[in-house]
Amino acid sequence: GEDVEQSLFLSVREGDSSVINCTYTDSSSTYLYWYKQEPGAGLQLLTYIFSNMDMKQDQRLTVLLNKKDKHLSLRIADTQTGDSAIYFCAASPGANNLFFGTGTRLTVIP
Amino acid sequence: GAVVSQHPSRVICKSGTSVKIECRSLDFQATTMFWYRQFPKQSLMLMATSNEGSKATYEQGVEKDKFLINHASLTLSTLTVTSAHPEDSSFYICSASPGGNYGYTFGSGTRLTVV
Repeated sequence: GEDVEQSLFLSVREGDSSVINCTYTDSSSTYLYWYKQEPGAGLQLLTYIFSNMDMKQDQRLTVLLNKKDKHLSLRIADTQTGDSAIYFCAASPGANNLFFGTGTRLTVIP
Repeated sequence: GAVVSQHPSRVICKSGTSVKIECRSLDFQATTMFWYRQFPKQSLMLMATSNEGSKATYEQGVEKDKFLINHASLTLSTLTVTSAHPEDSSFYICSASPGGNYGYTFGSGTRLTVV
């Protein structure tokens, strides 16, 4: 199956950019997702990218995909304290499969 | 659109009792729903895939007799934790997808505590 990996922790200062990285192993993954989980809540879909795209930008969020290296990143510009959460990367190699990374806990320091 | 409602959000039960968790797709039909379990400080673990009108598909290591899944309609799947034990205490999350470009929508999760 797919193996999705992320670093566990990231700390940034308020106003700086955050970059959360993710690697995956299955090159047939067609959809790649970023989810946000706030304490006590379910996952919130932030954005996604198709495997035939290199970049996708949505307001403060920029997703970069390096398909050759199977590397996905999420950049949050002007990080705010409200961005503190766990961010999950997920890869979908098939219609009914979704594999999550371990999640990266982002801490924003005021 | 693409809202998934999960109920209850929190439940405390005694050891040996059973607990039912509901997952509803509010504005779309879902022939397939997924049940996940989240362990502390870890990612979600896919437990089973719930298929409307047929038996659920369980992931390796998940006891199907303990975690009963029923997907009786296109908008409702239920997970019943039978004869619950403290080690079943966890955060359970369901998800579904309308298909196409919507990706997966998750319920708000159920925090189960078995005492």
